[in-house]
Amino acid sequence: GENVEQHPSTLSVQEGDSAVIKCTYSDSASNYFPWYKQELGKRPQLIIDIRSNVGEKKDQRIAVTLNKTAKHFSLHITETQPEDSAVYFCAASLYKLSFGAGTTVTVRA
Amino acid sequence: EAGVAQSPRYKIIEKRQSVAFWCNPISGHATLYWYQQILGQGPKLLIQFQNNGVVDDSQLPKDRFSAERLKGVDSTLKIQPAKLEDSAVYLCASSPRAGDGELFFGEGSRLTVL
Repeated sequence: GENVEQHPSTLSVQEGDSAVIKCTYSDSASNYFPWYKQELGKRPQLIIDIRSNVGEKKDQRIAVTLNKTAKHFSLHITETQPEDSAVYFCAASLYKLSFGAGTTVTVRA
Repeated sequence: EAGVAQSPRYKIIEKRQSVAFWCNPISGHATLYWYQQILGQGPKLLIQFQNNGVVDDSQLPKDRFSAERLKGVDSTLKIQPAKLEDSAVYLCASSPRAGDGELFFGEGSRLTVL
């Protein structure tokens, strides 16, 4: 089955700085790569996703890049704000979604 | 649009007891998932339904866990007998189609096994 590894496990950034989270996947057939944000005690919610026929996608302050050859993808958050503090999960899917272990992002004011 | 509904939100049981969780997906969503999320870890897929048929249950501990989705709508997940390591949040999610596109999660059912 698909194995998704995510780094780092924790990330602390100063407000206004950028945050980068990296993930690798094992199944080269995976074709869908979403990112979910989970605030404390809340449900995971989709923040951005990318498909295998696209190398980069941007939505305001967040962007995702995909390198199919290397089987890795990354989440970039620019101009971080306190409300960006949460746990972020990457995932990869062909027919079922496999999640990474999560990155706890803390934005320091 | 109503979201994914789950109940109960919290449950505390003794080991070897049984527990059942209920999920009502978003109307019209054909695919329903049960994920187990242990504290500090990512969600792990237990079972995936397409309508009322099982698509994947490879990570479901079948000696103690069971799930059904009667009539392709609501679903129940049962654990019997529970073990300490079953303490986790059980997340139900639904999507219009399998493996592709956004999953809509419920609030989750937090299980504590003492």
